[in-house]
Amino acid sequence: GENVEQHPSTLSVQEGDSAVIKCTYSDSASNYFPWYKQELGKRPQLIIDIRSNVGEKKDQRIAVTLNKTAKHFSLHITETQPEDSAVYFCAGKVSNFNKFYFGSGTKLNVKP
Amino acid sequence: ETGVTQSPTHLIKTRGQQVTLRCSSQSGHNTVSWYQQALGQGPQFIFQYYREEENGRGNFPPRFSGLQFPNYSSELNVNALELDDSALYLCASSTEYGGWTGEGNEQFFGPGTRLTVL
Repeated sequence: GENVEQHPSTLSVQEGDSAVIKCTYSDSASNYFPWYKQELGKRPQLIIDIRSNVGEKKDQRIAVTLNKTAKHFSLHITETQPEDSAVYFCAGKVSNFNKFYFGSGTKLNVKP
Repeated sequence: ETGVTQSPTHLIKTRGQQVTLRCSSQSGHNTVSWYQQALGQGPQFIFQYYREEENGRGNFPPRFSGLQFPNYSSELNVNALELDDSALYLCASSTEYGGWTGEGNEQFFGPGTRLTVL
């Protein structure tokens, strides 16, 4: 089955810097890759997603890139702010299988 | 915040007992997925319900079962509770699954039910 690996497990940046979180997947049939932000004690919230027919997608300070050949996708956050501090999860969905596979999470700490 | 709701918020049970968790999907959504999130880990897919039928299952034993109702709300039932079942249980709702196109549709999570098994 699909396996999604996420790195790093923790990331500490200074306010205003950029943060990059990387995920790799194993099943080349995966075709949908959402990213979730989870604050302590709260539900995961979808922040951006990308489908396999697109290489990059941007929404204000957040962008996601997908490299299907290498089977990896990345979350980029620019101009980080303290409120970006949270745990971020990547996920992948294999085409025609109704299962989402989540990475183990990255705890992002943005220092003021 | 999403329109997905879950009840109860917290629950304490003892080993061997049975538990039922409930989820109301967002308006217009007909697919509900259930996840188990252990502390410090990512959500693990339990199963998905689409139009009242189980439509995909993760690596969870049969004592994890579910239902979906005509209004698309859903229940997760866990029998013979074990200590390792202690976790945050999340449901996520979405519109009709991608079907033959294989395209995934956005999932929106509920607030979760924190289950503690003693």
